[in-house]
Amino acid sequence: DTAVSQTPKYLVTQMGNDKSIKCEQNLGHDTMYWYKQDSKKFLKIMFSYNNKELIINETVPNRFSPKSPDKAHLNLHINSLELGDSAVYFCASSGGKGYEQYFGPGTRLTVT
Amino acid sequence: AQSVTQPDIHITVSEGASLELRCNYSYGATPYLFWYVQSPGQGLQLLLKYFSGDTLVQGIKGFEAEFKRSQSSFNLRKPSVHWSDAAEYFCAVGGDSSYKLIFGSGTRLLVRP
Repeated sequence: DTAVSQTPKYLVTQMGNDKSIKCEQNLGHDTMYWYKQDSKKFLKIMFSYNNKELIINETVPNRFSPKSPDKAHLNLHINSLELGDSAVYFCASSGGKGYEQYFGPGTRLTVT
Repeated sequence: AQSVTQPDIHITVSEGASLELRCNYSYGATPYLFWYVQSPGQGLQLLLKYFSGDTLVQGIKGFEAEFKRSQSSFNLRKPSVHWSDAAEYFCAVGGDSSYKLIFGSGTRLLVRP
């Protein structure tokens, strides 16, 4: 049983399109995250929700909008996709402040 | 400022040799420290964590790490590397007052047969 799952695993789309990535965790955690990993493997935190409340909102274009329908799910919607959005997006969850984070398998987004 | 430095971008070791990956951190409060491994095309997997207590912590896959407060370091070690250990390794720091983990830039481990 996968702890943190993401769909889709691969996403290939054209510039200007809108797309969504979904994340679900079955660990009972209250906190979920979105990260972006670029081609140099650098991990950048984008957003975090704790119990459906946005608690971290880093400097990210407002074309990116997270949504947490409940504490087990965190989705990421991206409007007007650009070439620079191509990356691997990871979802993660944790039990709270200071706790380790558990990562999903990632979604590789390619914008052409 | 809070930061994690992994000074080695790449490390190459022979299979069966010992391994040490370096990690230095800067954190304003009591640090919680983590090592993650990322195999190609995979997500990050937690190898081990340090919160308090014994400064030598054991993790999965035969890895261990030692917390040295005086050196602000948390180096990862393995006595004998296997070919399957080839991956990207990330060190991270957090604390009990923050939801955020600060990640290093990663070290790519290559294993020579």
